[in-house]
Amino acid sequence: DTEVTQTPKHLVMGMTNKKSLKCEQHMGHRAMYWYKQKAKKPPELMFVYSYEKLSINESVPSRFSPECPNSSLLNLHLHALQPEDSALYLCASSQVIGTAYEQYFGPGTRLTVT
Amino acid sequence: KQEVTQIPAALSVPEGENLVLNCSFTDSAIYNLQWFRQDPGKGLTSLLLIQSSQREQTSGRLNASLDKSSGRSTLYIAASQPGDSATYLCAANQAGTALIFGKGTTLSVSS
Repeated sequence: DTEVTQTPKHLVMGMTNKKSLKCEQHMGHRAMYWYKQKAKKPPELMFVYSYEKLSINESVPSRFSPECPNSSLLNLHLHALQPEDSALYLCASSQVIGTAYEQYFGPGTRLTVT
Repeated sequence: KQEVTQIPAALSVPEGENLVLNCSFTDSAIYNLQWFRQDPGKGLTSLLLIQSSQREQTSGRLNASLDKSSGRSTLYIAASQPGDSATYLCAANQAGTALIFGKGTTLSVSS
């Protein structure tokens, strides 16, 4: 099973809302990633978790709060977002970070901030 | 800092043509390079992964090559079909970070 699942598929939220994105994999991967993709742009790395610890934070605003409660699950908590945060949020996983292992991507969550 | 560039940005071809998409990267210290396909509004579909020690990979009508020394990769699509219409992204996998993507080539194949 090489599947990464993401929920929800679509999310519309107001600027005062708090919501969470969820990502799950059961491949035994110990590295998990959040990417953000704006329309007609390539994906950009936000966070990387390695063995459930935050390894890379690409200077992401604090209104995005990642969490890795166990080796299979990755969350992205959202609070007080801005309309410019509307994007496709992609989750990925790989065996370990910083190696030649392939990254597997989920289908993404399409987020609209109103 | 690694930079990944894809040329052309857009390409329109008639059905049946063979075509080449180009990807270049500035830092040759990569583990591997991945090619992805993305349909409008959808996630990424991995097409091919070439390890740094490999020269090429093939999957069906797709063939990807890698020349680390010159910082180039190409994706060759044989006998293109309308269903191949999508954006194709290449991404370099480098130590100390995750994937660094090019801006993509948007392909349109007309019937």
